[in-house]
Amino acid sequence: AQKVTQAQTEISVVEKEDVTLDCVYETRDTTYYLFWYKQPPSGELVFLIRRNSFDEQNEISGRYSWNFQKSTSSFNFTITASQVVDSAVYFCALSLKPYAGGTSYGKLTFGQGTILTVHP
Amino acid sequence: EAQVTQNPRYLITVTGKKLTVTCSQNMNHEYMSWYRQDPGLGLRQIYYSMNVEVTDKGDVPEGYKVSRKEKRNFPLILESPSPNQTSLYFCASSLARPKGELFFGEGSRLTVL
Repeated sequence: AQKVTQAQTEISVVEKEDVTLDCVYETRDTTYYLFWYKQPPSGELVFLIRRNSFDEQNEISGRYSWNFQKSTSSFNFTITASQVVDSAVYFCALSLKPYAGGTSYGKLTFGQGTILTVHP
Repeated sequence: EAQVTQNPRYLITVTGKKLTVTCSQNMNHEYMSWYRQDPGLGLRQIYYSMNVEVTDKGDVPEGYKVSRKEKRNFPLILESPSPNQTSLYFCASSLARPKGELFFGEGSRLTVL
């Protein structure tokens, strides 16, 4: 079974602070995909990033960066110089790669989400 | 405009009254899925469909049915709704599972009294 844990239920920071959202996953498969999604107060879900299990290179996109470490089964998300517009619920998710005869690759498991509030 | 459309967006109903939440996508995606979002539990997958006439259970399928007769549509059916199905429901589609990013609908808030 696959599982995603986001231990931080809520985080509150002041604008311009850096903040890291933790994501720990569990799977017995060696090939999988990890995702981060953002849900702003308006409610829609927005894709942020995808990472496959063979690519441990960290990624940076503007103020956002992601640190993927297979050794600790973690895929953490850092926002540098946070802004009020970053206030949202952030979800980490895990999906398995298909294998012959398998159907579980249709499953996508989300973590519980982390509520980030950035105060002015 | 590429989008996933859900209807209704809001619904209040009573226990036992069958209802259907429709979902339609205009991106020719093969993969579609339904999720429910509850406080403290994140998003949990109800059902998914890899293609037309191919559906499978997610993690919380009890009390729900789905069908995929056409590529663009993936309705969620609650045959006999109960109060524990009060939730925020999201439909999503993707070009290629599992690596494709999901495109989500705007959500349907369902209350069962």
